[in-house]
Amino acid sequence: EIVLKQSPATLSLSPGERATLSCRASQSVSSYLAWYQQKPGQAPRLLIYDASNRVTGIPARFSGGGSGTDFTLTISSLEPEDFAVYYCQQRRDWPPFTFGPGTTVEIK
Amino acid sequence: QVQLVESGGGVVQPGRSLRLSCAASGFTFSNYAMHWVRQAPGKGLEWVAIVSYDIDNKYYADSVKGRFTISRDNSKNTVYLQMNSLITDDTAVYYCAKDYYDNTVGAFDSWGQGTLVTVSS
Repeated sequence: EIVLKQSPATLSLSPGERATLSCRASQSVSSYLAWYQQKPGQAPRLLIYDASNRVTGIPARFSGGGSGTDFTLTISSLEPEDFAVYYCQQRRDWPPFTFGPGTTVEIK
Repeated sequence: QVQLVESGGGVVQPGRSLRLSCAASGFTFSNYAMHWVRQAPGKGLEWVAIVSYDIDNKYYADSVKGRFTISRDNSKNTVYLQMNSLITDDTAVYYCAKDYYDNTVGAFDSWGQGTLVTVSS
């Protein structure tokens, strides 16, 4: 089973700042990695698929990069609605599809 | 637009069974694989099961294999999760999710609101 680790666990930033979230896989997942955003009491929302492809309707301030074992999600300038938990998820080797433990982006 | 509506959650004793349903609308249901993903209170996301678009293939997380069964009825645009021999660790919000891809599988682009399953004596 491919294990995903996310860092940091919590990121404390102010609106307007740049957020960089990391996801590291226990073995190569090629580019088969997705990112999700989840706000309290809501279902997750798919932001990025296949490492760097933004889903239709997702703002351009969200971008994904990386391949192999190391990936990043960047939010170029945080808006108030971006404070949430972010999960990465791989589809390279399944079952199971696995998620990382999440990074909480909180208001500083 | 895509809508997924889960039902069937509730409080159940350990060892008992429960059946979740997810009614889909707003897309061609029979073209996409469907998943169940769960989230224990205050915890992260755990993928549970997938059923292929044509019902022929089903896969499960090890934690539920042999106890849970995923199925779908393409004539009713509905996916199900039959949960047997429930244990306290199965307590979670259960989401049904549509797969993003139509020619492969593995990302979840639409989610239901979730249904809470509580296993407790």
